[in-house]
Amino acid sequence: GNSVTQMEGPVTLSEEAFLTINCTYTATGYPSLFWYVQYPGEGLQLLLKATKADDKGSNKGFEATYRKETTSFHLEKGSVQVSDSAVYFCAHQGGGADGLTFGKGTHLIIQP
Amino acid sequence: SQTIHQWPATLVQPVGSPLSLECTVEGTSNPNLYWYRQAAGRGLQLLFYSVGIGQISSEVPQNLSASRPQDRQFILSSKKLLLSDSGFYLCAWSVGQVDNSPLHFGNGTRLTVT
Repeated sequence: GNSVTQMEGPVTLSEEAFLTINCTYTATGYPSLFWYVQYPGEGLQLLLKATKADDKGSNKGFEATYRKETTSFHLEKGSVQVSDSAVYFCAHQGGGADGLTFGKGTHLIIQP
Repeated sequence: SQTIHQWPATLVQPVGSPLSLECTVEGTSNPNLYWYRQAAGRGLQLLFYSVGIGQISSEVPQNLSASRPQDRQFILSSKKLLLSDSGFYLCAWSVGQVDNSPLHFGNGTRLTVT
């Protein structure tokens, strides 16, 4: 079946460090891929997305590239800030109306 | 622009009591609507989704039910809450009849069953 696997946290980094959060998926066909961010006490916000192989989604300094050959969509940021502390969810959608399949989330903590 | 409203933000209910959580969407027509649950330390679990009025698909058999009485209203209910129903409930919408349309989430309801 469809699934998303992402590194479990918490991931603790110092401010201005390089960030990578790994995400791999299993799915039939060619799903769209997403990263969502959840700040404390809030709902999820769409961070970026990619809809086909080799697409790169980017937003707020974050990037992720749709790698079909490795079924991966790793999230990266060159220099993290304290305000990036949140839980990050990788997700895929195989088309249709039945929503997204989410990973379990990665709690990111950025220390000043 | 589109907005999604979910209420209440927090709720404490005793075991065996009923539940009704509401979600409304503004600024769009015929959206797909979703209820997710996020339990502590776990990911998001899709509970129900709806592609139109009165059309509900259930992903996980459980103590909950959903209804869509109007195009932009989605209600999550229970007749008798269990302790295991505690969690963070998220409503979401996406553009109807469009493949790969991203989901847009409300701010969630924190439910504690005591």
